[in-house]
Amino acid sequence: DQQVKQNSPSLSVQEGRISILNCDYTNSMFDYFLWYKKYPAEGPTFLISISSIKDKNEDGRFTVFLNKSAKHLSLHIVPSQPGDSAVYFCAASGDNAGNMLTFGGGTRLMVKP
Amino acid sequence: NAGVTQTPKFQVLKTGQSMTLQCAQDMNHNSMYWYRQDPGMGLRLIYYSASEGTTDKGEVPNGYNVSRLNKREFSLRLESAAPSQTSVYFCASSVWGLDEKLFFGSGTQLSVL
Repeated sequence: DQQVKQNSPSLSVQEGRISILNCDYTNSMFDYFLWYKKYPAEGPTFLISISSIKDKNEDGRFTVFLNKSAKHLSLHIVPSQPGDSAVYFCAASGDNAGNMLTFGGGTRLMVKP
Repeated sequence: NAGVTQTPKFQVLKTGQSMTLQCAQDMNHNSMYWYRQDPGMGLRLIYYSASEGTTDKGEVPNGYNVSRLNKREFSLRLESAAPSQTSVYFCASSVWGLDEKLFFGSGTQLSVL
């Protein structure tokens, strides 16, 4: 049973528009959430994170929103650029899991020029 | 400025063969990890080493062994490869702790026939 789920395997967006990637989790003990970005033939790279004491964290074009009551987080990319085309993984951790990161299955974002 | 280096990049094994995946980091990080990535499953932790001299099982340790050779190097061994171990393997490191920002290598694509 996956504790972190990304229900959309893929997403296609026009350049300049907003990309919204979603992630749901089931473990209420998770208290730290991260997004990683992965290009083909490369390892994932850290993008942005958020602690459960916040509901929003922004870094340039990237914003992560956390809704604890819904156990849902989302990554917004505005404006989307073709170079943002990649697979995005959300991940979560919490004390009850020994602080091990649990990853979602990933969403492939395609930004069309 | 190599970061995390994994070798080999590609490997094909026959069922029952053994092999060792090598990983080295030059960032003076304390913690190192081995993950596997399977389609739709995200990244799953195989083993980790929180610090030099310690190793612990992750989510999917069966069929694998690890060695933390020194602070820089962390190897993953498949003693008797099985087709279920066909996957992409990623080594990662972090300054300290399991829930911190991870730095990943570029991966090893392993096929077991």
